[in-house]
Amino acid sequence: NAGVTQTPKFQVLKTGQSMTLQCAQDMNHNSMYWYRQDPGMGLRLIYYSASEGTTDKGEVPNGYNVSRLNKREFSLRLESAAPSQTSVYFCASRRQGAVTDTQYFGPGTRLTVL
Amino acid sequence: RKEVEQDPGPFNVPEGATVAFNCTYSNSASQSFFWYRQDCRKEPKLLMSVYSSGNEDGRFTAQLNRASQYISLLIRDSKLSDSATYLCVVTAPDYKLSFGAGTTVTVRA
Repeated sequence: NAGVTQTPKFQVLKTGQSMTLQCAQDMNHNSMYWYRQDPGMGLRLIYYSASEGTTDKGEVPNGYNVSRLNKREFSLRLESAAPSQTSVYFCASRRQGAVTDTQYFGPGTRLTVL
Repeated sequence: RKEVEQDPGPFNVPEGATVAFNCTYSNSASQSFFWYRQDCRKEPKLLMSVYSSGNEDGRFTAQLNRASQYISLLIRDSKLSDSATYLCVVTAPDYKLSFGAGTTVTVRA
């Protein structure tokens, strides 16, 4: 049981390059999320998907796009990377029940944009 | 104003000590509250949920004060392995999660 997996773990881009961050979960959760984490800022929600086939903007969506490919996979795309997008990116899935509400995070992608 | 605010610390305590810290939230309609733990350069992991009546999980005690809009975490008999950043997480009525920036705790031998 791998939980939430993310690829790549590290990436260096030049300004203007594009890339896609991949995320997959094997826990059959409906909800999936993309966050970025910057020093002193906490995790900020970029986009989320409440269920397969739906996506919604979070707090900081500008410069990003997402695709919920199926129930397992939720990818994040940077079309034209900027230095301000240097950050650690976490994908998460969420288990919500009558008494439980837990987010499970992937190991993160450390992205540097030069 | 940030939706969730935490004292960043660091709280530097000796092994065996008790350490406590708070988190304040701005949305009075917030519904659910959690503490997550994040080790250096790792992903956050759920430490415990926070219930209205307060709850314990071993050496960890969480409290919720809805009137003053804060939650607290107390760690008794600190261990070296408790060194981490503790993230306060609050759920809004639309079920979106808001994260605090974290409180860093360092337990020294």
